[in-house]
Amino acid sequence: GAVVSQHPSRVICKSGTSVKIECRSLDFQATTMFWYRQFPKKSLMLMATSNEGSKATYEQGVEKDKFLINHASLTLSTLTVTSAHPEDSSFYICSAAGQGTEEPQHFGDGTRLSIL
Amino acid sequence: GENVEQHPSTLSVQEGDSAVIKCTYSDSASNYFPWYKQELGKGPQLIIDIRSNVGEKKDQRIAVTLNKTAKHFSLHITETQPEDSAVYFCAANTGYALNFGKGTSLLVTP
Repeated sequence: GAVVSQHPSRVICKSGTSVKIECRSLDFQATTMFWYRQFPKKSLMLMATSNEGSKATYEQGVEKDKFLINHASLTLSTLTVTSAHPEDSSFYICSAAGQGTEEPQHFGDGTRLSIL
Repeated sequence: GENVEQHPSTLSVQEGDSAVIKCTYSDSASNYFPWYKQELGKGPQLIIDIRSNVGEKKDQRIAVTLNKTAKHFSLHITETQPEDSAVYFCAANTGYALNFGKGTSLLVTP
């Protein structure tokens, strides 16, 4: 149980393109979903927290107009990187958790984004 | 905010030996401490977690201990196997969010 599916697994696109990444909880209802960015050989950096039906909460230094997050249902959250540039190239990972501060976060397999 | 320190950053053990990874945290309000294993090109996989109302938890070859007074928790892997080689992250919660350590790259050599 507790499977989180993230798509696409890899994206290569030109500078200026907008890219949408989907995160789905397949067998449980995710009250809260999280989006992380991970640089090579580094830890996970939380970008934003989203709760179903409400606006996402962004971490300091993360541009909300650059990284649009939508959490329209209890099983789906999307991250759209708008007008992507080479510096946005990274490994983006989502996680999903049920209700409660002690609920485990279950992670997707990440999206490798490369902007040319 | 919460600060999670993790040591060592790299660890090499021989197959069959034990591996121990240690973490400390700063927020006394943290009450949930998961451990994740991340293989190359994959997302982190939850391997074990512990809540603040217990001091130790075991699942086959993996165990975690928690000392709330000292604000530290540890991961113990016994009888290590080559497939245990990966990066391991500890984390401590602040509300709904997790604060991660910087990771330990574990290499188990046959």
